[in-house]
Amino acid sequence: DQQVKQNSPSLSVQEGRISILNCDYTNSMFDYFLWYKKYPAEGPTFLISISSIKDKNEDGRFTVFLNKSAKHLSLHIVPSQPGDSAVYFCAAPNSGGSNYKLTFGKGTLLTVNP
Amino acid sequence: NAGVTQTPKFQVLKTGQSMTLQCAQDMNHEYMSWYRQDPGMGLRLIHYSVGAGITDQGEVPNGYNVSRSTTEDFPLRLLSAAPSQTSVYFCASSYAGQGKTEAFFGQGTRLTVV
Repeated sequence: DQQVKQNSPSLSVQEGRISILNCDYTNSMFDYFLWYKKYPAEGPTFLISISSIKDKNEDGRFTVFLNKSAKHLSLHIVPSQPGDSAVYFCAAPNSGGSNYKLTFGKGTLLTVNP
Repeated sequence: NAGVTQTPKFQVLKTGQSMTLQCAQDMNHEYMSWYRQDPGMGLRLIHYSVGAGITDQGEVPNGYNVSRSTTEDFPLRLLSAAPSQTSVYFCASSYAGQGKTEAFFGQGTRLTVV
């Protein structure tokens, strides 16, 4: 039973355009969400997070939106740059919010074309 | 600041061999975790620790042992390697304080069992 779902294995966008990566979850107890970025042969690096008390969190070119009623969140990257090409994982802590037990989606490979 | 350091980066084992994947963090984080990543899958939790002397099982613990004798180190032991344990292994650490904080990941260990 996959509690965090990223249904798009890949996404390709042009440089300068918007990238939208989607994530759905089934566990209504999740109250905090994180996005990680992963380059090949490297570990995941934290990108941005959002608490369930908010519906939007912004950090520079990256914005995460949370729709609790739909159990859906999305990561927007504007403008997209070639260096953003990576796998993006959506994750949620599944133990009272403690971040030592993260449940991950399968990831979306973003390719930004020059 | 080294962060989370994993050794080795690559390893090839024969079926039945045992080995230990090392993980060390220098951020004085209470929490540490081990994940594995397989093709087309997100990261899955193997074992975790909420402090020195305290460990527990995650989603996929079979075939692995852990111990946490110090805050800094969290080794993962493969007791008798099997081809199904071919994977990329990531160690993570995080702060246990109030508020939701991100987990920091190491660079990973790519393990092949033949």
